Amino acid sequence: KAGVTQTPRYLIKTRGQQVTLSCSPISGHRSVSWYQQTPGQGLQFLFEYFSETQRNKGNFPGRFSGRQFSNSRSEMNVSTLELGDSALYLCASSPGVAGGPDTQYFGPGTRLTVL
Amino acid sequence: AQSVTQLDSHVSVSEGTPVLLRCNYSSSYSPSLFWYVQHPNKGLQLLLKYTSAATLVKGINGFEAEFKKSETSFHLTKPSAHMSDAAEYFCVVSAQSGGSYIPTFGRGTSLIVHP
Repeated sequence: KAGVTQTPRYLIKTRGQQVTLSCSPISGHRSVSWYQQTPGQGLQFLFEYFSETQRNKGNFPGRFSGRQFSNSRSEMNVSTLELGDSALYLCASSPGVAGGPDTQYFGPGTRLTVL
Repeated sequence: AQSVTQLDSHVSVSEGTPVLLRCNYSSSYSPSLFWYVQHPNKGLQLLLKYTSAATLVKGINGFEAEFKKSETSFHLTKPSAHMSDAAEYFCVVSAQSGGSYIPTFGRGTSLIVHP
């Protein structure tokens, strides 16, 4: 099976702009989670989508949003970019239907730089 | 509430010597615990997970971890380090929320392997 893919891999934006990142999960996986990784804060959970519905959300401002399509592909949007949004954004997929915590399969990430 | 503390930000070993990466956790409920590894420019990969079965968990590439409830620890070990083990390692505790599980990541431990 193909792994989790994320596009684009690298992105440079300026403050105030918005950005959309894309994630294609492993075939058959219905849950997609997004994380932000920075040197200062480490890996932080943004949100999880399952069957096109947001199932959980981390402690991030409303500028961060996402959605999931019927084919389980997911997009994440950040509006009004700030310098502090510069980070590696990781997407992870899992089957999403287990009775306990799933193993998550991570993509390589999108490196966002805000100037 | 849940949290995880990785006690060392960097661990340096010589090839062929044992590896010990320390992790303490805090969780209101019976925790599910994971170790992930992140090689440079790659996504995170699951090493092993504990979900209330055997307390000694064996993972990939010769790694194992022991769940010790009395010490709230989940340390990662390997008998003999290999150069290819050099990477960032993350301990993760996962708790149930809204029908799924939200992971909390430790800050990571960078493993350096000297020839």
